[in-house]
Amino acid sequence: AQKVTQAQTEISVVEKEDVTLDCVYETRDTTYYLFWYKQPPSGELVFLIRRNSFDEQNEISGRYSWNFQKSTSSFNFTITASQVVDSAVYFCALSEAPGNQGGKLIFGQGTELSVKP
Amino acid sequence: DTAVSQTPKYLVTQMGNDKSIKCEQNLGHDTMYWYKQDSKKFLKIMFSYNNKELIINETVPNRFSPKSPDKAHLNLHINSLELGDSAVYFCASSQVSGAADTQYFGPGTRLTVL
Repeated sequence: AQKVTQAQTEISVVEKEDVTLDCVYETRDTTYYLFWYKQPPSGELVFLIRRNSFDEQNEISGRYSWNFQKSTSSFNFTITASQVVDSAVYFCALSEAPGNQGGKLIFGQGTELSVKP
Repeated sequence: DTAVSQTPKYLVTQMGNDKSIKCEQNLGHDTMYWYKQDSKKFLKIMFSYNNKELIINETVPNRFSPKSPDKAHLNLHINSLELGDSAVYFCASSQVSGAADTQYFGPGTRLTVL
C-alpha cells in the first residue's frame, strides 16, 4: 500500500540556519509522483514542487532544494538560510500513475517548522 | 482572481444540522477534489470529480454528498452533522485526473460542530 512518512513532527531552528525535512515513501508502482506542499499559519496549502519517479535529478529553487533518491525511497527538502517566513507545516505527498485511482494524493503527517529570529 | 475559492471560510453549527460548503475554480481544470484535514493536521482525500463525474469516493459516510453542477464547481453537502465532522475541508483542482497532475488547493473551510 502507498504510504508517506515524515518522521519529524516538529523542527525548530534559528533564522539563517539550514534545515532538512525528511520524507520517506512506500509504493509498489514503478511510475509515481511526489509533491511538497507548504501550509503557513494562515492555513492555505501552497504547492511547492512535483517530481516524477523517472527523474532523479535534484532540484533547486532559490533557497529551496529537493533531493530525490529512489534507492532509499526518500524525497527530502532542504531550506538554506531559513527565514521567519518559512515557518509553516510542510507536507510531502505521493500520487501514483493514471489508471490506479489517478490523482489521489497520499499525504505524510506533516512537519511543523518553526524559524525563530 | 482567486484560482480556487471556497465559501464559507468558517462554519459553526450544531450537531444534527445539515450544511453545505461550496467550491469554485477559475483555472479551467477538469478535475476537482475534496480533502479533509483533521485536528492533527492529517490530510485525506474524500472525493474526486472529473468533468462532473465521480471518480474517487474514499469510503466516506453517506452523510457526505458531493455535487458537481459543472466542471468549475464542486459542492459538499453534509447531513446530520456529528462532532467528529469538525475539521478543515479543502477543495482542490487539477487540469486532468491523472496522478501526474498538480492539485491546487482552495483556502479551506473550518467546520466546527458543537
